[in-house]
Amino acid sequence: QLQLQESDSGLVRPSQTLSLTCAISGDSISSGGFSWNWIRQPPGKALEWIGYIYQSGTSSYNPSLRGRVTMTIDRSRNQFYLHLKSVTAADTAVYYCARESPDSSGSPFFDYWGRGSLVTVSS
Amino acid sequence: DVQMTQSPSSVSASVGDRVTITCRASQGIGTWLAWYQQKPGKAPKVLIYAASSLQSGVPSRFSGRGSGTDFSLTISSLQPEDFATYYCQQGNNFPFTFGPGTKVDIK
Repeated sequence: QLQLQESDSGLVRPSQTLSLTCAISGDSISSGGFSWNWIRQPPGKALEWIGYIYQSGTSSYNPSLRGRVTMTIDRSRNQFYLHLKSVTAADTAVYYCARESPDSSGSPFFDYWGRGSLVTVSS
Repeated sequence: DVQMTQSPSSVSASVGDRVTITCRASQGIGTWLAWYQQKPGKAPKVLIYAASSLQSGVPSRFSGRGSGTDFSLTISSLQPEDFATYYCQQGNNFPFTFGPGTKVDIK
């Protein structure tokens, strides 16, 4: 059974860089044509898609993050990563990693999720 | 970005009730829509993908329909474990976007 696990919750100072790891177990990050995604949810608010990365390293990000986000992947460790720079209080959220699995028609949806990691931005 | 709206924002219902939630996209997205259920402190769980396809393991009381801009999720007979928040998500255009959620709580 595929499992995703984000790194521990924590505190990040304003203007610093938020870094998270998503560790995959139960399957290889390189198997299939899946994309690996980050999604966040501010407390009490809705979900926001941050971006994805493929095992090839190809990535795409939400323009709302204005060039602050970078995702990387380490196939040898079966992990992928999120880096969000110049954070503010507005970046406080639960951050989820998730696998996107398009169905036979190509309609994308997120079928496996981590439990989430709460990141608080505060001085 | 494709804006997703949901109605109602919350609904109070009883066990056994039929509940329908609607989702509207700001532009046509074909059938590239998914529905998720989220319980407090938990990650979302996909219920429906491609507007009407039931994800493996999801009870058949959940159903979805729609295409273009208007979609709906129906729970045919609400069970105690169904009290949660439901989100729609479009996958037709980048960036992927989610609706604001509909909270289903106990009447």
